[in-house]
Amino acid sequence: TQLLEQSPQFLSIQEGENLTVYCNSSSVFSSLQWYRQEPGEGPVLLVTVVTGGEVKKLKRLTFQFGDARKDSSLHITAAQPGDTGLYLCAGANFGNEKLTFGTGTRLTIIP
Amino acid sequence: GAGVSQSPRYKVAKRGQDVALRCDPISGHVSLFWYQQALGQGPEFLTYFQNEAQLDKSGLPSDRFFAERPEGSVSTLKIQRTQQEDSAVYLCASSLSPGASSYEQYFGPGTRLTVT
Repeated sequence: TQLLEQSPQFLSIQEGENLTVYCNSSSVFSSLQWYRQEPGEGPVLLVTVVTGGEVKKLKRLTFQFGDARKDSSLHITAAQPGDTGLYLCAGANFGNEKLTFGTGTRLTIIP
Repeated sequence: GAGVSQSPRYKVAKRGQDVALRCDPISGHVSLFWYQQALGQGPEFLTYFQNEAQLDKSGLPSDRFFAERPEGSVSTLKIQRTQQEDSAVYLCASSLSPGASSYEQYFGPGTRLTVT
């Protein structure tokens, strides 16, 4: 069974600070996705990374896929209250479309 | 709307009742997935369809859970004789086509099931 562990589980920081969320596995994934989920809603896709070592930027968010494709990180610069939510990483493998989700990081940005 | 829709959004069932949860995927999306999300946790895979074919049902927790997609579009997840441990949010997702390297899925808002 492939597992994805996220850390930290909870994070509460002041507006304007920087933060990093980690997603780690002992297994290799073909691709890894990051989602943000708000209360009462489904997860919304933020980014997909497929190449080991890949870095993608989405405004203040920077996503990195580890060289061995077993881990990923999400870095947020100058956090804003609108960044508040549950951040989920999810891995997939070629030939099997189902996603294996991480344990989640609940982020709260304090104005 | 153009997104994935689910109904009902909220369902309260008494223990032992049967429930049916509906998912309307994005038009033209070939693949459809069901996930179960417990409070404060990440979603867990239940089952997956490609068109009308159920290709993987390895995540269904028991034989009380049944899913169908008879015409390759709308899907229904049925839970028979509900138990309290079935209380969760049930998420539906769809994706455009199999074999894409990115496997991007688009989620509906979920149905929150509470079994009393």
